[in-house]
Amino acid sequence: DVKVTQSSRYLVKRTGEKVFLECVQDMDHENMFWYRQDPGLGLRLIYFSYDVKMKEKGDIPEGYSVSREKKERFSLILESASTNQTSMYLCASSFGQVGTDTQYFGPGTRLTVL
Amino acid sequence: SQQGEEDPQALSIQEGENATMNCSYKTSINNLQWYRQNSGRGLVHLILIRSNEREKHSGRLRVTLDTSKKSSSLLITASQAADTASYFCATVIQGAQKLVFGQGTRLTINP
Repeated sequence: DVKVTQSSRYLVKRTGEKVFLECVQDMDHENMFWYRQDPGLGLRLIYFSYDVKMKEKGDIPEGYSVSREKKERFSLILESASTNQTSMYLCASSFGQVGTDTQYFGPGTRLTVL
Repeated sequence: SQQGEEDPQALSIQEGENATMNCSYKTSINNLQWYRQNSGRGLVHLILIRSNEREKHSGRLRVTLDTSKKSSSLLITASQAADTASYFCATVIQGAQKLVFGQGTRLTINP
């Protein structure tokens, strides 16, 4: 079975802190994704990557950056956390052409920014 | 507005009954996928239906796709308490490289 793990289930940070969210997948998938999920807004794509060191902006990239130094790991970085970044963050991975295959999700990180 | 919109937003039924959720979308798609999310957890893929398919089954799940109406439905038969979750449709827009999720239907199965 595909396993996607995220470094923390719950995280509390202060405004202005630099925050790292880590995601690791064990199935050698090319594609990895970061979403945030908010009530009433559904899942929104922040960034995705289809290869090592490659990244593409999603729908809401502002205030975020990403890093993919190794195929199995995709990190989401909040350069200076703000209260409006309080959310559930979901990482996913998929194999093959982006958009055609099943995405496998991690358990999510619930981030609170105070 | 959302590419995929589920209807209803919330559904509550008795255990053993069938549950039907609908998804409408706006633009041409390559495929449509349904996912389930248990409370506070990640999403789990249920089923993928391609644009040239009309119906697909997986266990107690039945998905239909009507590209002329730009809509899909998910039917869960003989519901169980464990089916309590939120269900999302996600579409892959032609020419795009991403899934676009709807806001989900929250399904509650009452014992």
